[in-house]
Amino acid sequence: AIQMTQSPSSLSASVGDRVTITCRASQGIRNDLGWYQQKPGKAPKLLIYAASTLQSGVPSRFSGSGSGTHFTLTISSLQPEDFAVYYCLQDYTSPYTFGQGTKLDIK
Amino acid sequence: QITLKESGPTLVKPTQTLTLTCTFSGFSLTTGGVGVGWFRQPPEKALEWLALIYWDDDKRYSPSLQSRLTITKDTSTNQVVLTMTDMDPVDTATYFCAHRRSLGEFAFWGPGTLVTVSS
Repeated sequence: AIQMTQSPSSLSASVGDRVTITCRASQGIRNDLGWYQQKPGKAPKLLIYAASTLQSGVPSRFSGSGSGTHFTLTISSLQPEDFAVYYCLQDYTSPYTFGQGTKLDIK
Repeated sequence: QITLKESGPTLVKPTQTLTLTCTFSGFSLTTGGVGVGWFRQPPEKALEWLALIYWDDDKRYSPSLQSRLTITKDTSTNQVVLTMTDMDPVDTATYFCAHRRSLGEFAFWGPGTLVTVSS
């Protein structure tokens, strides 16, 4: 199975900060990677698919990049509603695998 | 508008079989490239993919759970059913179903259903 290593596992930041979360795949996955945001008690929400395509309705402060084995999610200017847990998910091949998650909280 | 909703028991006993149903609307599981997947999340832990069924009835399972899982679809009722045998307390989790688009991403999710395994 492809392993997804996500870092950092937690991150404290302030409103207005720029933050970057990274996922590394144990083997190449082309650009078959999505980024998801999850708030407590809620289902994951798709933010980015195909590594860099913004899902409809998602604010443009979210962006994704990468291909192969190295991927990043960047939030350009944190807003209060962005404090949540973020996951990457490779959908290149089954078993589909998530990163361990990054908990983003308020500094 | 695509919606999905999970249903099933909230409490199961150890060794019992869990049957969860995902009822969806706004898309058809006969459309090429489309799938429905199941995921779970134990309390305070990360998400885990369990199984996926495609429009053409191709099925994929998590290798670690494959012997316990069965996924089926009923296109006439717009439902996907996941069964998991031999339930254990470690299977206590919120279970989600999600729509998989043809590019592979899971854009639409059900709200999830919490299943507790306890005697």
